[in-house]
Amino acid sequence: QKEVEQNSGPLSVPEGAIASLNCTYSDRGSQSFFWYRQYSGKSPELIMSIYSNGDKEDGRFTAQLNKASQYVSLLIRDSQPSDSTTYLCAVKRNYGQNFVFGPGTRLSVLP
Amino acid sequence: ETGVTQTPRHLVMGMTNKKSLKCEQHLGHNAMYWYKQSAKKPLELMFVYSLEERVENNSVPSRFSPECPNSSHLFLHLHTLQPEDSALYLCASSQDRGLANEKLFFGSGTQLSVL
Repeated sequence: QKEVEQNSGPLSVPEGAIASLNCTYSDRGSQSFFWYRQYSGKSPELIMSIYSNGDKEDGRFTAQLNKASQYVSLLIRDSQPSDSTTYLCAVKRNYGQNFVFGPGTRLSVLP
Repeated sequence: ETGVTQTPRHLVMGMTNKKSLKCEQHLGHNAMYWYKQSAKKPLELMFVYSLEERVENNSVPSRFSPECPNSSHLFLHLHTLQPEDSALYLCASSQDRGLANEKLFFGSGTQLSVL
């Protein structure tokens, strides 16, 4: 089982809709969870971090964490074509300095 | 600008060359990382330095040699690379305080092509 799993996509949503990106992780002791986005040819850019069960909102983005289910998601409200890129889920282990990344989900927002 | 600067942005090298990638962080962090990103693969952790000591080395071939002279600078020395080593090499930094809310910030990366 891979440590961090994501659907590779592409996930296509119409402009203005809610995009829902999902991630599961295997290390039950993980404490920190992150969403990055990465445009082609660029480095990953941190969007959201979440550490406690529940929802965390920042502008159009909401991160949701369910540690019992080992599941973290990212909702993007009012999706825009400029949101079209790859979204990476990352998990920081409870020990050491290792941030483990999923393979990424490619999102396509259709005008 | 994330506060993590990498040079060069692009590098083309032959298999017999020796080159070095450089990373500098201006965030006051004490942990620095090298990640490799190949096409259609997840980011792979290569090395981690915390307080200038290497704390993680993920079975990386010896043709990759990291160096961390201080908490702000990180190098990756390359020699006798193979074409399959062509990838985006990303430097990152974080503040290692043993807390859950540490975040990882990336430099712009070096796109490496080995001919």
